[in-house]
Amino acid sequence: GQSLEQPSEVTAVEGAIVQINCTYQTSGFYGLSWYQQHDGGAPTFLSYNALDGLEETGRFSSFLSRSDSYGYLLLQELQMKDSASYFCAFRLVADKLIFGTGTRLQVFP
Amino acid sequence: DAGITQSPRHKVTETGTPVTLRCHQTENHRYMYWYRQDPGHGLRLIHYSYGVKDTDKGEVSDGYSVSRSKTEDFLLTLESATSSQTSVYFCAINSGAQETQYFGPGTRLLVL
Repeated sequence: GQSLEQPSEVTAVEGAIVQINCTYQTSGFYGLSWYQQHDGGAPTFLSYNALDGLEETGRFSSFLSRSDSYGYLLLQELQMKDSASYFCAFRLVADKLIFGTGTRLQVFP
Repeated sequence: DAGITQSPRHKVTETGTPVTLRCHQTENHRYMYWYRQDPGHGLRLIHYSYGVKDTDKGEVSDGYSVSRSKTEDFLLTLESATSSQTSVYFCAINSGAQETQYFGPGTRLLVL
C-alpha cells in the first residue's frame, strides 16, 4: 500500500530552524508535495519535489530522496505565523494527492 | 484564491438523510477533487473528476457519490448520512502548474 509518516508535533522558538520529516511507502509516485494548514483554514501549497534534491522557496525548503523513501520540509527564520499543520503528500496519476497525517508545528516566542 | 467556493459552509443533519455538498470553480479547471479531513487521518481523497461526467473513486469512496454535469460544478452526495461521515469536506482543483492543488474553504458537516 501507500503511506506517509510524519511526526505528530514539533515545537520550536521564533528565529530557529525546524525540519519536518516525511517517510513513505509507495509503489510509485510523480513527486512529493508539502501543504500548510492553519487552524480552521484550508490547506495551501508550499513546495513540490519532482526530483531528488533540494527545492528552495524563500524561507521554506523541501528535500526528497527516493532511494531513502524520505523527504523533509525545512523552515528557517521561524515566525509566529508559521504555527500551523504541515502535510506531505504524494502526487499520483490524475494529479491525485495522498496525504500524510500531518505535523503540528508550534512556534514559541 | 483560485475562485473556488463551497456550499454550504456548515451543515447539521440527521442520520439517514441525504446531503449534497457543492463545489464551484470559476476558472475552467479540468480536474476537481473531494477530500475529507478528520483528526488523526489528515486529508483523504473521496472522489475526483477529470472532466464533465468523468469521475473516479478515491481512497474513501464508500457511502459517497459525485456528479459533474458542468465544468464549474462538482457535487458530493451522501445518499444516507451516517455519524461516521461527520467531518470537514474540502474541494480542490488543479492549477495550471500541475503539482499545485488549490483548496476551497471547506464545509463542516455534523451528522447527528
